[in-house]
Formats: sequence, C-alpha cells, structure tokens
Amino acid sequence: EPEVTQTPSHQVTQMGQEVILRCVPISNHLYFYWYRQILGQKVEFLVSFYNNEISEKSEIFDDQFSVERPDGSNFTLKIRSTKLEDSAMYFCASSVLSTTGAHTFGSGTRLTVV
Amino acid sequence: KNEVEQSPQNLTAQEGEFITINCSYSVGISALHWLQQHPGGGIVSLFMLSSGKKKHGRLIATINIQEKHSSLHITASHPRDSAVYICAVRKNTGTASKLTFGTGTRLQVTL
Repeated sequence: EPEVTQTPSHQVTQMGQEVILRCVPISNHLYFYWYRQILGQKVEFLVSFYNNEISEKSEIFDDQFSVERPDGSNFTLKIRSTKLEDSAMYFCASSVLSTTGAHTFGSGTRLTVV
Repeated sequence: KNEVEQSPQNLTAQEGEFITINCSYSVGISALHWLQQHPGGGIVSLFMLSSGKKKHGRLIATINIQEKHSSLHITASHPRDSAVYICAVRKNTGTASKLTFGTGTRLQVTL
C-alpha cells in the first residue's frame, strides 16, 4: 500500500537553529499538508499546498515557517529560527481529492528544540 | 470552544467489552474522519464518513448529519485496540481540504 514517508523520525536542534523536515507524499496525490501536535494536545493544521503554492495556512504558520516542493517528489517544511515552543510532532499528509479531505498521514517527525 | 468535541477523554475497558466513542461538531462539514494514533505517534485513517454507517472488521462508525454527531464502536475489544482515537472533520467552507481535529479519546483495553 502506498505510504507517505517522513524523515527524520526524530530531530533534536538547538534554539535558533534552522530545521528542515522532509516528506515524500504519495505519487498521484495532489494536495499536501503539514500538521503539528504539541505533546498532550490535539493535532493542529499548519499549511496546505496545491499546484506548487500554498492554498491555506493557519495563524501558527508565521514568517519563520516555509514550505517547498523542490523536485516534484519531496515536500519540505522549514523552520528558520526554532523556538522551544516549536517542539512537537510534525505530520505530513497528502490527499487525492479536496472535497472529502481523505488524508494519508506520514509517521511523523518528533522535533525537540533545546 | 472547540469545533470538534470528543467524549470520553479517557476510557478503560476489559477485553471483550463493547466500546463507544462519541464525536460532536459545531460546523458544517463535507466529511468526518476517524483516526487512530498509536503510542509511537503515527496516525492511521480508519474511516471517512459523509452519511450513514461504515464497518471494517470489529470497527463500526456512524454519523448523524442532522444532529452533528458521530460514534465509533469497537466490538469485542482487545488490548491491541489500545490507542488514541481521534475524530476530525473536513469543513464545507473554503477551498482547502484541511482537517480540524478533536482532542482524542485515549482507550486502554486490559486483559
């Protein structure tokens, strides 16, 4: 069964450093998403991406965040200057259609900012 | 107030018990999803519903669009069902298909 692949599974970084989280969505999917889950809290939407541009972003997705699909297969989330409160599990997801929101999720990257 | 509310927050059951997890939402939706999150953190999609009822193995999901309510049932529960079960909705406003999540129900099934 096709999978969404995320790397790394766990990343530890120092406050102020830049991190790039990587995702390989399912090849025939058209919509891509990043979500995050702070420990003990619910999953929150960050950004959706379609046709090589951001289609929607949340208020969490401020100027320190950016997304890119550099080579037609990878989908990356960059955090420019990490803060302690960026520590969370970050999930990538992809979907074929937009009307129902059917997502396939990656296994997540646990980001720890120290 | 959360747009998606789940109950209970925590649930402990003995093996073999019938389990019900509830989800209520306050917005118009085009679909509702039930997801399973295991202790390692990964999220697996169980069901996507826009009406009626779906069944997969020991899992049954129902939705009542008029009442804005969905339930996830597990028959003959087993310790391997222990996980967090999350309700998420796709709102019918806007063009993006993002999901809005509930806070999850933590299920522990004991022998």
